[in-house]
Amino acid sequence: NAGVTQTPKFQVLKTGQSMTLQCAQDMNHEYMSWYRQDPGMGLRLIHYSVGAGITDQGEVPNGYNVSRSTTEDFPLRLLSAAPSQTSVYFCASSLAGGLNTQYFGPGTRLTVL
Amino acid sequence: KNQVEQSPQSLIILEGKNCTLQCNYTVSPFSNLRWYKQDTGRGPVSLTIMTFSENTKSNGRYTATLDADTKQSSLHITASQLSDSASYICVVRGGGSQGNLIFGKGTKLSVKP
Repeated sequence: NAGVTQTPKFQVLKTGQSMTLQCAQDMNHEYMSWYRQDPGMGLRLIHYSVGAGITDQGEVPNGYNVSRSTTEDFPLRLLSAAPSQTSVYFCASSLAGGLNTQYFGPGTRLTVL
Repeated sequence: KNQVEQSPQSLIILEGKNCTLQCNYTVSPFSNLRWYKQDTGRGPVSLTIMTFSENTKSNGRYTATLDADTKQSSLHITASQLSDSASYICVVRGGGSQGNLIFGKGTKLSVKP
């Protein structure tokens, strides 16, 4: 099992550009989530999905879109990048149920100039 | 407001010594509490998950305690190793949907030879 994979590992964008961060898992997990991690702050939830075709907003969804067409993939789209979106982005997945372990990907470090 | 506070912010100890990290939370209703280890440049990795009824849970040299009455948890690391150098994140899951994970800011532990 590869677990949770994320691409790219690093990305530099100019303000106004759009891009998609990729996330995939091979553990047949129903739940998938996107977080951002900023210095001096805890991880904050952007969007999450409880299954294919179902997504919902987290704590900081503005400026981001998601879709979940398959169980395996959960891409995060930045519509028009802003410097405030400079951050490290983590994708995570877990089985359904409140006590299941959440597995994180290695992260994507995004810089918006 | 649901919050998770961790202390200390950072800690330096010598290899072989023990240490204890603290987590206080105000999340209500409460479902479970998790400790994660995050190595620099990597995604968090789950160490323990505890429910309301569990007081102690161990994972090798890591022992987590939970006092649900005082809403406090601690992570004790025994006989520290250089590889324990990392950030340790306390996460509380409230009752409800998948989106209700509240992350602490983490304690950065450095183990020196």
